[in-house]
Amino acid sequence: SQTIHQWPATLVQPVGSPLSLECTVEGTSNPNLYWYRQAAGRGLQLLFYSVGIGQISSEVPQNLSASRPQDRQFILSSKKLLLSDSGFYLCAWTAGGRETQYFGPGTRLLVL
Amino acid sequence: DQQVKQNSPSLSVQEGRISILNCDYTNSMFDYFLWYKKYPAEGPTFLISISSIKDKNEDGRFTVFLNKSAKHLSLHIVPSQPGDSAVYFCAASTVGNEKLTFGTGTRLTIIP
Repeated sequence: SQTIHQWPATLVQPVGSPLSLECTVEGTSNPNLYWYRQAAGRGLQLLFYSVGIGQISSEVPQNLSASRPQDRQFILSSKKLLLSDSGFYLCAWTAGGRETQYFGPGTRLLVL
Repeated sequence: DQQVKQNSPSLSVQEGRISILNCDYTNSMFDYFLWYKKYPAEGPTFLISISSIKDKNEDGRFTVFLNKSAKHLSLHIVPSQPGDSAVYFCAASTVGNEKLTFGTGTRLTIIP
């Protein structure tokens, strides 16, 4: 069966510090991968998605970036965090051609 | 532009009664709809979906209804149980596009 992992589970970072969140999927090949953010009291905002290694599409201009160095690995990064980057970050995957997305456990990021 | 709207941010229902969560959309190209359930500090879990060629889909206590002419879908939970207390998101996609557009969520509270 497929499993999706995210780490860390919780992160507290000072403003201006870098960020690296990792997501990995097991039990499937060539998944489509997604990064979402849920800000406090708001819905799920799609940040990035990837249909293959090195292929990244950005949905929202911001100081975040994403990379996909391996087929089942998706990384969310920032060079300098802002206070507004605080939120709950979710990684999700789909099998190609299927619409149902499956989510990881999420990372809670607090920027102080 | 919020293409998928959940106009009720919260809903309280007595245990054992029916919970009805509503979702409206504006994009007539949407043809696949999903409901997700989310507990605090966890990733959303997929509940049930419906394709635009159907107007109803059932899975146990969960039934999703789709009214294409009204661009409206609803999730019925019968009977409601305390474990159903969570935030529910509806989501939609268009054919050939695996990206999902999410609503802002409805917090359901089941009262024992």
